[in-house]
Amino acid sequence: GDSVTQMEGPVTLSEEAFLTINCTYTATGYPSLFWYVQYPGEGLQLLLKATKADDKGSNKGFEATYRKETTSFHLEKGSVQVSDSAVYFCALSDPRSGTASKLTFGTGTRLQVTL
Amino acid sequence: NAGVTQTPKFQVLKTGQSMTLQCAQDMNHNSMYWYRQDPGMGLRLIYYSASEGTTDKGEVPNGYNVSRLNKREFSLRLESAAPSQTSVYFCASSEGSGAAEKLFFGSGTQLSVL
Repeated sequence: GDSVTQMEGPVTLSEEAFLTINCTYTATGYPSLFWYVQYPGEGLQLLLKATKADDKGSNKGFEATYRKETTSFHLEKGSVQVSDSAVYFCALSDPRSGTASKLTFGTGTRLQVTL
Repeated sequence: NAGVTQTPKFQVLKTGQSMTLQCAQDMNHNSMYWYRQDPGMGLRLIYYSASEGTTDKGEVPNGYNVSRLNKREFSLRLESAAPSQTSVYFCASSEGSGAAEKLFFGSGTQLSVL
């Protein structure tokens, strides 16, 4: 079945450092790919998405490119802020899964940004 | 701007007790979902409702039942709680049911079963 693998956390960075969180996936078809973020005590929020190969999703300075050849969707940000501290989830949705947008999530990567 | 509202926020149950988690959305969304979040396992889909009047099993449905009461409300019931159901439960909704849909999540219910 479909699966998503994320790098283990926690990731601890100083403010203004470069961020990369790795995500690779396994899917038979052509899934849509997502990054969701969860701030402390809150539900998940969509950060960005990409629906086909070579698409780049971007939002709030974060970017991720859908790489079909490497089955990856790595999250990057050039300069992190303390306010980016959260748990980041990579997810996929297989269009062949029938009705409803059923997401398969990775295990999440906690990011801690310090001054 | 309520979005997706879940109640209660916290609950402690004894093994064998029953309870219902409530979820309501005010965005006129067609599809609704229940996920559970466990440490080291990400979120897993319990049940979903693609549209009013329909419900289907997700990845981990055992021990749960759901009701899509109307377009706004989607409840999750634990008939006989077990310690393995200790988790954080999230309700979510989406406007449609396509693969690229954006899901909107509630703030979660933290459930402990003793």
